[in-house]
Amino acid sequence: ILNVEQSPQSLHVQEGDSTNFTCSFPSSNFYALHWYRWETAKSPEALFVMTLNGDEKKKGRISATLNTKEGYSYLYIKGSQPEDSATYLCAFSGTYKYIFGTGTRLKVLA
Amino acid sequence: EAQVTQNPRYLITVTGKKLTVTCSQNMNHEYMSWYRQDPGLGLRQIYYSMNVEVTDKGDVPEGYKVSRKEKRNFPLILESPSPNQTSLYFCASSLSTGTGFTEAFFGQGTRLTVV
Repeated sequence: ILNVEQSPQSLHVQEGDSTNFTCSFPSSNFYALHWYRWETAKSPEALFVMTLNGDEKKKGRISATLNTKEGYSYLYIKGSQPEDSATYLCAFSGTYKYIFGTGTRLKVLA
Repeated sequence: EAQVTQNPRYLITVTGKKLTVTCSQNMNHEYMSWYRQDPGLGLRQIYYSMNVEVTDKGDVPEGYKVSRKEKRNFPLILESPSPNQTSLYFCASSLSTGTGFTEAFFGQGTRLTVV
């Protein structure tokens, strides 16, 4: 059974804090790792697509890294703002498989 | 505009009354899937389809059916809905590259209540 795990499940941080969370995934038959941002009452939207070991992607204050050999990815948020509050999902894309993690629910307190 | 369209957005129905939630995408994506989202459980896959006439069970298929007669449409059918199928449902589509999938595009979600 292929499993994608995210930790922590939920997180509260103060405005201005930097934070990070983890996605672990199967290291075999890997094609891509996707990160999504999912705001309440909306649909998930893609943040990053990473395919190569060592990939680093950045969008504003949010960045992500990828280690396909050991099967993990980190998402970092620098200087968290209340508008960053959302659930962050990762998804493993492999041969004939597309599996979501359960997400990390982030709440940034003003 | 590239999009995935789900209908209806909200539905309240009674136990046992058959219903269909439609999903349509305009991006010519091969891969389409249905998920349900329940508190604390993330997105759980119900069914997926690799292409026209190719469908397969996900993690929680019981009580659901799907069909993929055309590439753009992937309806979710509840033949005899029960209260435990009350949930938020998402349809998603991705491009298949042969060795994997591009990022998923999601519909707006359908909030279903079965009483």
